[in-house]
Amino acid sequence: GEDVEQSLFLSVREGDSSVINCTYTDSSSTYLYWYKQEPGAGLQLLTYIFSNMDMKQDQRLTVLLNKKDKHLSLRIADTQTGDSAIYFCAENNYGQNFVFGPGTRLSVLP
Amino acid sequence: NAGVTQTPKFRVLKTGQSMTLLCAQDMNHEYMYWYRQDPGMGLRLIHYSVGEGTTAKGEVPDGYNVSRLKKQNFLLGLESAAPSQTSVYFCASTSRFGAGGGDEQFFGPGTRLTVL
Repeated sequence: GEDVEQSLFLSVREGDSSVINCTYTDSSSTYLYWYKQEPGAGLQLLTYIFSNMDMKQDQRLTVLLNKKDKHLSLRIADTQTGDSAIYFCAENNYGQNFVFGPGTRLSVLP
Repeated sequence: NAGVTQTPKFRVLKTGQSMTLLCAQDMNHEYMYWYRQDPGMGLRLIHYSVGEGTTAKGEVPDGYNVSRLKKQNFLLGLESAAPSQTSVYFCASTSRFGAGGGDEQFFGPGTRLTVL
């Protein structure tokens, strides 16, 4: 079945860049997503990328997609303490269901 | 718009008790989902619905039942709660796929359930 993998933890210093990585197995994935979950809350969509794109930039966020290696990354520039959260990678192929990774807990140290 | 709402926010059950979690959305979305979130395991799909009156099993459906009698509501039932069902439960909804691409799932705030 489809699978999405992420490392579980990442720590960075405030002001540094964070890079959160994700790998997926479904080569027919059409959309790949990054969601953010703050403590005690549901998931919120940060950004998404269509599979025919290599890169998408949105303010401090840069998404890179390597379709050949089935690798997705999320770069957060100038990471702030408010960026501390769990980040989920997810994929979908025009299907009914999304497949989520286990989430990466980002800790931003002062 | 309230988006996706869930009730209750917290619940403690004893083993063998039953309960129903309610999810409501006011975005006229076709698709609705129930997930459970456990540490280190991300979100696992329990059941989902592609429209009023329809339901389907997800990855971990055992011990749960669902109903979608109205388009805006999706109910998750536990008939006989077990400690293994201690988790945080999230409801989500999305519009019909292909409507605009990059279809976003909108999530509720979650229900934290403890089964003793």
